[in-house]
Amino acid sequence: KNEVEQSPQNLTAQEGEFITINCSYSVGISALHWLQQHPGGGIVSLFMLSSGKKKHGRLIATINIQEKHSSLHITASHPRDSAVYICALRGGADGLTFGKGTHLIIQP
Amino acid sequence: EAGVVQSPRYKIIEKKQPVAFWCNPISGHNTLYWYRQNLGQGPELLIRYENEEAVDDSQLPKDRFSAERLKGVDSTLKIQPAELGDSAVYLCASSFGGELFFGEGSRLTVL
Repeated sequence: KNEVEQSPQNLTAQEGEFITINCSYSVGISALHWLQQHPGGGIVSLFMLSSGKKKHGRLIATINIQEKHSSLHITASHPRDSAVYICALRGGADGLTFGKGTHLIIQP
Repeated sequence: EAGVVQSPRYKIIEKKQPVAFWCNPISGHNTLYWYRQNLGQGPELLIRYENEEAVDDSQLPKDRFSAERLKGVDSTLKIQPAELGDSAVYLCASSFGGELFFGEGSRLTVL
């Protein structure tokens, strides 16, 4: 079983829809990162979470440490949100474990 | 403030040739990572530095890959000789206080 599982792997939605991407993990962590990667582009860190909830603009990230689960939400989605969203776990000794990513396409 | 700077952005070489990538992390960031990302996959760690010390190089193919971070600032990643399977994006990231910052990556194509 992989240490980190993301779902869905692929998601296509219409502009304006509310988007949810999930990340489940099976190991103890010190923090969880949500990352965004546009096609051909570099990776941008969206959030680093160790508990609770964070919000930045139209993006909201939540984490439930007991259930080992995190979600990334996008409100009022826009075509420019189309990207790969990656969940990454920060464990002991500062190591990082990456999920395989969720490919999101927002159609106008 | 400049972000993580990588060069070159793109490199095309023939197999068996050497190649080197350079990374300048954000000033003051002690932790530096090199990742390899294949198409459609998540990043895979190659090596992690704390200052000038390589603290995790367990995934670095040491027969052909080498890395250094002299003076604990800039870092270079070298492949010699390159193989077809080395075609990928090589990402550098730096970290301070747990926050991660990635460079744009160096896309390598081996023909």
